[in-house]
Amino acid sequence: GQQVQQSPASLVLQEGENAELQCNFSSTATQLQWFYQSPGGSLVSLLSNPSGTKHTGRLTSTTVTKERRSSLHISSSQTTDSGTYLCAIEYGSSGNKLIFGIGTLLSVKP
Amino acid sequence: EAAVTQSPRNKVAVTGGKVTLSCNQTNNHNNMYWYRQDTGHGLRLIHYSYGAGSTEKGDIPDGYKASRPSQENFSLILELATPSQTSVYFCASGDPGASGNTLYFGEGSRLIVV
Repeated sequence: GQQVQQSPASLVLQEGENAELQCNFSSTATQLQWFYQSPGGSLVSLLSNPSGTKHTGRLTSTTVTKERRSSLHISSSQTTDSGTYLCAIEYGSSGNKLIFGIGTLLSVKP
Repeated sequence: EAAVTQSPRNKVAVTGGKVTLSCNQTNNHNNMYWYRQDTGHGLRLIHYSYGAGSTEKGDIPDGYKASRPSQENFSLILELATPSQTSVYFCASGDPGASGNTLYFGEGSRLIVV
């Protein structure tokens, strides 16, 4: 089946450092989204970026479609950024279904 | 802001019993989804729907049924609950559009089957 691989599995930073999260997928994606899951479990969409580069606040996502990879850069990390970051892919034949990676657990220390 | 509400938030069920997880969305989205999340597996799609009256099988539908009686409501039904269905279940709604199929998730329902 379709695969979504995320790395690293976990990451520990000091407040103010930058984070780089990676997402690799096994087939051409028609849609790619990054989600944040809080330590309490709630999920929110961060941004949608099937190709190219997108910015929102301190987040920058770069997706290289032909190389089947995407990255999420978090600048000047804050303790409130701690949580799990999930990459999700929609494939052309999947009928608006998103397939999720397992995520990267980010911990930002004060 | 999209609003997706799940109930119950926590449930303990006995093996062989029937469990119904309910989901309500107030944003008139056509698509609704049920995922489960387990350690080491991430979010996996159980059932989804394109609108009232429609249900489709996701990647792990065995042991689950779904019902979409209206645009707003989407239920996940476990007719004969088993301990392997102990998990956290998330409902989501969304609509494909120019910006893609952004999903809005509920807060999750934690189910323990004993």
